[in-house]
Amino acid sequence: DAGVIQSPRHEVTEMGQEVTLRCKPISGHNSLFWYRQTMMRGLELLIYFNNNVPIDDSGMPEDRFSAKMPNASFSTLKIQPSEPRDSAVYFCASSFPTRRDTIYFGEGSWLTVV
Amino acid sequence: EDQVTQSPEALRLQEGESSSLNCSYTVSGLRGLFWYRQDPGKGPEFLFTLYSAGEEKEKERLKATLTKKESFLHITAPKPEDSATYLCAVLSGNTGKLIFGQGTTLQVKP
Repeated sequence: DAGVIQSPRHEVTEMGQEVTLRCKPISGHNSLFWYRQTMMRGLELLIYFNNNVPIDDSGMPEDRFSAKMPNASFSTLKIQPSEPRDSAVYFCASSFPTRRDTIYFGEGSWLTVV
Repeated sequence: EDQVTQSPEALRLQEGESSSLNCSYTVSGLRGLFWYRQDPGKGPEFLFTLYSAGEEKEKERLKATLTKKESFLHITAPKPEDSATYLCAVLSGNTGKLIFGQGTTLQVKP
């Protein structure tokens, strides 16, 4: 199994630019989570989807952040416009929500906004 | 409010010196408690899921236990390769959210 695949792995962008992060969940998984990790705040849940439908986006910090899941094998997290305080590692995770939940993470997208 | 607190924040052990990491939690409808290992520059790596008080899981030198209010990750005779950050998370059956603690950074010296 290829695992959760995220791209890009690293991105450096200028303040004000649009950033799009991408995630391909594990095949057959129908729950998908987006997290942000910083030293100060640890891992924060931004949004999660079940069967491609956003269930809870209360963790999305501002209207500058948006996430979509157009199909079961692809999701995007977009920041527009980006700001230096958005610099963090963004993780995508997926799971198959049976009684025996096991949630797997990708390797993360390291974002630096200068 | 769902909350996870891990202690200690950092732990330094000598190789072979056993110890335990703590994860205290409050959650609406526990659906599972997860332990992950995270190495620098990597995503969290799944270790265990525990579902009910009294449950235990083992993997090599690691053993996870669960009570109604906390979980312990016991590390027996650790080796330097066990050095990593260990993350605890709870999955709420009511909200569907997976909430993480801040992690314990373990350093094992040879």
